[in-house]
Amino acid sequence: DTGVSQDPRHKITKRGQNVTFRCDPISEHNRLYWYRQTLGQGPEFLTYFQNEAQLEKSRLLSDRFSAERPKGSFSTLEIQRTEQGDSAMYLCASSALDTERNQPQHFGDGTRLSIL
Amino acid sequence: AQTVTQSQPEMSVQEAETVTLSCTYDTSESDYYLFWYKQPPSRQMILVIRQEAYKQQNATENRFSVNFQKAAKSFSLKISDSQLGDAAMYFCAYRGRNAGGTSYGKLTFGQGTILTVHP
Repeated sequence: DTGVSQDPRHKITKRGQNVTFRCDPISEHNRLYWYRQTLGQGPEFLTYFQNEAQLEKSRLLSDRFSAERPKGSFSTLEIQRTEQGDSAMYLCASSALDTERNQPQHFGDGTRLSIL
Repeated sequence: AQTVTQSQPEMSVQEAETVTLSCTYDTSESDYYLFWYKQPPSRQMILVIRQEAYKQQNATENRFSVNFQKAAKSFSLKISDSQLGDAAMYFCAYRGRNAGGTSYGKLTFGQGTILTVHP
């Protein structure tokens, strides 16, 4: 179990640029979640996948955000035309599929995005 | 929609003493889980303890225990014999069924409580 891996750890970019983050979940985990956390606040749900299917998207997720998990393994989160308000920590979590019982979500270290 | 409220932005405790962090939540569901997560500065979110809503018995994990009051929708975390390493931001979180009810879905977090431990 190598844990959830996120890349890059930090990203600094100018307003208006596109950015892409990668998340590698724990290898046997079917579920993959993206959250956004602004300074001093709790994480907010963005979207999640079960294998390659995107099952839920938050209404917080504007059209500038897109997430993929093409082969049911790693996932990417892309933000187009970044804005100042996109500055945040983007957290990825993964879990085994849980139907009857909760399976805990394991979090990565996050990608901190700073918009200049 | 479910909401989670942590009314204590900051708490402090002396090393070896006991501290209780508060959390309330709002839901119309009966099948859900509640969690406390710990997030040290610039470090990973770590699960501290979890509680199944259908279980009346309060969960315990070593020095960490919860007081789960389902009718009051209250879920507090008690840390006994506090240690310097307990210093972190603590988040209360709720997890209910997904829209189809086929499995458990996303986590909904509270605003967090910063815990400071004084030597």
